[in-house]
Amino acid sequence: SAVISQKPSRDICQRGTSLTIQCQVDSQVTMMFWYRQQPGQSLTLIATANQGSEATYESGFVIDKFPISRPNLTFSTLTVSNMSPEDSSIYLCSVSPSSTANTGELFFGEGSRLTVL
Amino acid sequence: KQEVTQIPAALSVPEGENLVLNCSFTDSAIYNLQWFRQDPGKGLTSLLLIQSSQREQTSGRLNASLDKSSGRSTLYIAASQPGDSATYLCAVPYKDTDKLIFGTGTRLQVFP
Repeated sequence: SAVISQKPSRDICQRGTSLTIQCQVDSQVTMMFWYRQQPGQSLTLIATANQGSEATYESGFVIDKFPISRPNLTFSTLTVSNMSPEDSSIYLCSVSPSSTANTGELFFGEGSRLTVL
Repeated sequence: KQEVTQIPAALSVPEGENLVLNCSFTDSAIYNLQWFRQDPGKGLTSLLLIQSSQREQTSGRLNASLDKSSGRSTLYIAASQPGDSATYLCAVPYKDTDKLIFGTGTRLQVFP
């Protein structure tokens, strides 16, 4: 398994500002992902955080709005830029410890609950 | 395009009942299926992972089954307790990746 710490756990932000969310894992992991969960909705994948290279974004998400860094195998950040009330969501970091895709469990952090006023 | 649906959307039961939560997926070519629990405003806790070659997995009072051919999985909760109250999500990988496609969730409330 993997223990994942996310910071901040929650924040209230003003429209137009940016917030960076951190994800720290207690062991080296192959894959790291960022998800968004809008109020009352299920989870949607934002991007795959690639170690040492640019993140891979899903349809509907762009780097200018959600820049992601992954400097090593245990740490990643997601920035929500130029926030609007529509960005109010829970943002979750997910990791796959397995070196082989789709063979093992995926683990999630506690989430960062963001409210934009 | 893979779509994952869960029914019922919400469930409220008295303590002690045995429960069945359902998960359906449109593309049966999955590698595995994972069940998660989410408490309000919190992250996800992995409950059970079923590989495509398996029919079921058990953990304590939880039992998950998988029928790939019919595109269904069920999560069985025995002797429910108020502490089981949460939202339960199922998820399958997108093709041969670790990117997950989530179901719509079942919000469970178990009252004393």
